[in-house]
Amino acid sequence: AQTVTQSQPEMSVQEAETVTLSCTYDTSESNYYLFWYKQPPSRQMILVIRQEAYKQQNATENRFSVNFQKAAKSFSLKISDSQLGDTAMYFCAFMKPIDSGTYKYIFGTGTRLKVLA
Amino acid sequence: DAGVIQSPRHEVTEMGQEVTLRCKPISGHNSLFWYRQTMMRGLELLIYFNNNVPIDDSGMPEDRFSAKMPNASFSTLKIQPSEPRDSAVYFCASSSRGRGYGYTFGSGTRLTVV
Repeated sequence: AQTVTQSQPEMSVQEAETVTLSCTYDTSESNYYLFWYKQPPSRQMILVIRQEAYKQQNATENRFSVNFQKAAKSFSLKISDSQLGDTAMYFCAFMKPIDSGTYKYIFGTGTRLKVLA
Repeated sequence: DAGVIQSPRHEVTEMGQEVTLRCKPISGHNSLFWYRQTMMRGLELLIYFNNNVPIDDSGMPEDRFSAKMPNASFSTLKIQPSEPRDSAVYFCASSSRGRGYGYTFGSGTRLTVV
C-alpha cells in the first residue's frame, strides 16, 4: 500500500529565511507523480509544485524547490526567502494511477508552517 | 476559467436534517473527486467519477452518504440524515483524464452539524 509520511507537524521560520519541509513515501511503482499543496487559512488547496518520478531534475517554482531522492523515497520542499504569505498548512501528496489515465492522491498528514515577522 | 465552484461555502444544520453539497467542475475535466477533511483523519477520498460514472465509492463512510453526477458540469454530495460527526470541510476537485497534472480543488464547504 502506498503511504505518505510528513514527520513535522509544525514548523516556524523567520521571514526571509529558508525552510525545508520533509516528506517520505512508500510505493512499489516506478513511474508516479509527487506534489506539494499549500492550504492557507482561507482553506483553498493550492498546488505549489509537482515532480514526475522519471525526471531526475528537481522541480522548481520561483521560491519553491524540491529535493527528490527517488531511491530514498524522499520528497522535501524548500521555501527560500520565506514570506508572511507562506504561512499555511503544507501537504505532500503521492499520485497513484487508478486506471488508464485516472489518478488519485494519497495525502500526508500535513505540516503547519508559520512564518514569523 | 472560474475554477471548481462549490456551494455553499458554509452550512450549519441540525442533526437529522438532509444536507446537499454542490460542485461544478472545470469545463473539460472529466474526473471529479469528493474529499473530506477533518483534524483527526486529514484528507479522505470519499468517491470519484470518470465521465459522470461513479468509479469507486469505497471511501463513503456510511449509507447516509450518497453522491451523484447527473452531467459533466454538476455533482452533489448528500448526507441524510446528518450527524455531528459529519462536521468537516468537504472538497470537490476535478482533473483532466490522462494528464497527471494534479487536481484543481474547489474552495470547500465547511459543514457544521449541531
